[in-house]
Amino acid sequence: TQLLEQSPQFLSIQEGENLTVYCNSSSVFSSLQWYRQEPGEGPVLLVTVVTGGEVKKLKRLTFQFGDARKDSSLHITAAQPGDTGLYLCAGAGSRLTFGEGTQLTVNP
Amino acid sequence: GAVVSQHPSWVICKSGTSVKIECRSLDFQATTMFWYRQFPKQSLMLMATSNEGSKATYEQGVEKDKFLINHASLTLSTLTVTSAHPEDSSFYICSAYLGSGTEAFFGQGTRLTVV
Repeated sequence: TQLLEQSPQFLSIQEGENLTVYCNSSSVFSSLQWYRQEPGEGPVLLVTVVTGGEVKKLKRLTFQFGDARKDSSLHITAAQPGDTGLYLCAGAGSRLTFGEGTQLTVNP
Repeated sequence: GAVVSQHPSWVICKSGTSVKIECRSLDFQATTMFWYRQFPKQSLMLMATSNEGSKATYEQGVEKDKFLINHASLTLSTLTVTSAHPEDSSFYICSAYLGSGTEAFFGQGTRLTVV
């Protein structure tokens, strides 16, 4: 069974701070996705990374895929209260394998 | 983007009754849908894979007779929680995913409360 370990599981920071969320696996994935979920809603795709070493930026969010395609990170710069939510990494295959999630709270 | 519609968004039922949750793909055909269960501030737990025209595939530990899945058409999958008990209270989410790293589209989720 492929497992994705995500850390930290909970993170509470002040507005303006930076943070990094990590997603690690012992298995290689063809691609990895990051989703964000708000309370009472389904997750929404933020990004898909495919190539080892790939870096993608989405405004203040920077996503990186490890060279060996086993790990990924999400870095948020100058976090805002609107970034609050559950962030999920997911390894892609015939189905998605989700990490444990990171509950981020950004306090004003 | 593709839209997956899930209904109802919330339901309260009495212990012992059954509840049906619908998941529709609105602008595409989904031969496969996934049903997840989620506890507060935790990740998605895959319950079963719903396959159009055939039996669903259940994950280990998920009772197939309790969580009945029907995928009778390419646009509709249903999850029925039978003889619901308070411990079945949870957030249930469906998803359509075409594989190979494509985007997964999720329903809005259903908050089930069994009293």
